[in-house]
Amino acid sequence: EAGVAQSPRYKIIEKRQSVAFWCNPISGHATLYWYQQILGQGPKLLIQFQNNGVVDDSQLPKDRFSAERLKGVDSTLKIQPAKLEDSAVYLCASSPRQNSGANVLTFGAGSRLTVL
Amino acid sequence: DAKTTQPTSMDCAEGRAANLPCNHSTISGNEYVYWYRQIHSQGPQYIIHGLKNNETNEMASLIITEDRKSSTLILPHATLRDTAVYYCIVRPVGGSNYKLTFGKGTLLTVNP
Repeated sequence: EAGVAQSPRYKIIEKRQSVAFWCNPISGHATLYWYQQILGQGPKLLIQFQNNGVVDDSQLPKDRFSAERLKGVDSTLKIQPAKLEDSAVYLCASSPRQNSGANVLTFGAGSRLTVL
Repeated sequence: DAKTTQPTSMDCAEGRAANLPCNHSTISGNEYVYWYRQIHSQGPQYIIHGLKNNETNEMASLIITEDRKSSTLILPHATLRDTAVYYCIVRPVGGSNYKLTFGKGTLLTVNP
């Protein structure tokens, strides 16, 4: 089966500019996650979708970050305006369904953002 | 979610078994133990999970102590490609939120 696709792989922008990342999860996976990974740290969950509804966005900086998952498939994460501290790898993951005893996440390769 | 404690780094010789420990002394009866790893410049990859019993798959073995307060991930014959950061995570079996909360993990370096 195809994996989780993310683009772009790399992006360099100036602070206060905007950027968008795209994720295509594994076909049929109901749950989609966006994680932020700063260098030297473990991934931190930003937002979790179940189909096209938001389950958890408690750690999403909503003044500058937004995410959507139209039609419960692809998702886009946007940052506007970007700050220096947003430099990180943005990881997308998906899992088959929410109400599962053992819920295994499959991650994409990530999108590396550098803010200058 | 219960907190986990892992060593910051470990070394292992190629071809030898790598044993990665994890303490989760506050784990509750309805929490799984998951292991993921992250090779440089890649996303995390699922390895194995368990609830009470020891588990084995094609990648690794998971040994959970009887009191469930600690576990060990075993890579039976480590190769250079196993060099990665290994994350031990505990998470409830049920509930409406299936997020994984990552710590800093253990950097395993497999040496030739």
